[in-house]
Amino acid sequence: KAGVTQTPRYLIKTRGQQVTLSCSPISGHRSVSWYQQTPGQGLQFLFEYFSETQRNKGNFPGRFSGRQFSNSRSEMNVSTLELGDSALYLCASSLSGRAGTDTQYFGPGTRLTVL
Amino acid sequence: GNSVTQMEGPVTLSEEAFLTINCTYTATGYPSLFWYVQYPGEGLQLLLKATKADDKGSNKGFEATYRKETTSFHLEKGSVQVSDSAVYFCALLNNNAGNMLTFGGGTRLMVKP
Repeated sequence: KAGVTQTPRYLIKTRGQQVTLSCSPISGHRSVSWYQQTPGQGLQFLFEYFSETQRNKGNFPGRFSGRQFSNSRSEMNVSTLELGDSALYLCASSLSGRAGTDTQYFGPGTRLTVL
Repeated sequence: GNSVTQMEGPVTLSEEAFLTINCTYTATGYPSLFWYVQYPGEGLQLLLKATKADDKGSNKGFEATYRKETTSFHLEKGSVQVSDSAVYFCALLNNNAGNMLTFGGGTRLMVKP
């Protein structure tokens, strides 16, 4: 079974631009979560989607948004990019709708660099 | 709230040495506990997990036991290899926080031949 895939793997943007990252979960998984990883802040939760609805949200500004499609694929968008948005963005999928119970499997991440 | 504390690295060991990476947590209720590993340039890979007290997770020679009395989930391996060099993250999942994993800060392990 294929794992979690993320595209693109690398992105370079300039301040003020916007970016869209994509995540395809493991087949059959319905929950998709997004995390930001930086050297200074470590791994921080952005949001989680289940059945096309945002179910949980971390402490990030409104410039960070996401959505989920009927096939469970998810996208996240960052508008008006800032230098501090440079990070590895990780997507994770899990099987069931019962929040807080299932193992999350991670993709390889998208490395975003903001110049 | 939920939190995870793990020992700071880097941890530098010689090949075949014994490894312990300490992890303690704070959480209400009965969280599930995980160890993830991250190799350079890659995402997180699930290493092992435990879902209730006294459970032992194990994989690829690594082990960790869920100790509720000491709120700990220490990672151990009897004989490390150069290929084990990576960053290790302890994490918890608590149903009072939905599907949000709470991670420790990560511990870099360097194994020398």
